[in-house]
Amino acid sequence: AQSVSQHNHHVILSEAASLELGCNYSYGGTVNLFWYVQYPGQHLQLLLKYFSGDPLVKGIKGFEAEFIKSKFSFNLRKPSVQWSDTAEYFCAVKMGARNNNDMRFGAGTRLTVKP
Amino acid sequence: DTAVSQTPKYLVTQMGNDKSIKCEQNLGHDTMYWYKQDSKKFLKIMFSYNNKELIINETVPNRFSPKSPDKAHLNLHINSLELGDSAVYFCASSHRDRNSPLHFGNGTRLTVT
Repeated sequence: AQSVSQHNHHVILSEAASLELGCNYSYGGTVNLFWYVQYPGQHLQLLLKYFSGDPLVKGIKGFEAEFIKSKFSFNLRKPSVQWSDTAEYFCAVKMGARNNNDMRFGAGTRLTVKP
Repeated sequence: DTAVSQTPKYLVTQMGNDKSIKCEQNLGHDTMYWYKQDSKKFLKIMFSYNNKELIINETVPNRFSPKSPDKAHLNLHINSLELGDSAVYFCASSHRDRNSPLHFGNGTRLTVT
């Protein structure tokens, strides 16, 4: 079955620390990959997306992610986090027409940045 | 403003009641979704409609019935509410193609007492 795995349930960092959140997916076909952020009490917002081409994609707010096809991974990174990055982060995979373009989310990683 | 809007934002009700949540998008998308987010923040897809046609129907109790009067609207009706239905319900929309990200509404926090 198709699935999306986020390895870290809760990450706690100090401001200015570097961030890497892991994401792996299991799906044999072509996929598009996304990272969403959910600030406390808010809805999900798109951080970045990968469709094709350069496997290193840059998103908003200084975030980037790298697609490694051989590892079925799409890890999220940020060189220096801020207190305002405290939020829940979701990795997502959107599948092809054979799967009705279904989008599946990982379980989320809560990031807490201490000032 | 272009957006996915859902109402109400908060819904508190008693067990056994029937309630509806409405969702509308004016982004010109052809596909709409309902997701349930539990207390642990896990997001589970419930339904997906494309041009008013049901295309994804996950294992959801049949007390939940989606209705799509047109491709800009997807409402969720819940019969005989149970305590376990308490969650945040998010509506989302996108173009159907694989490249299109989902745009989410602000969520409806349902509390069943």
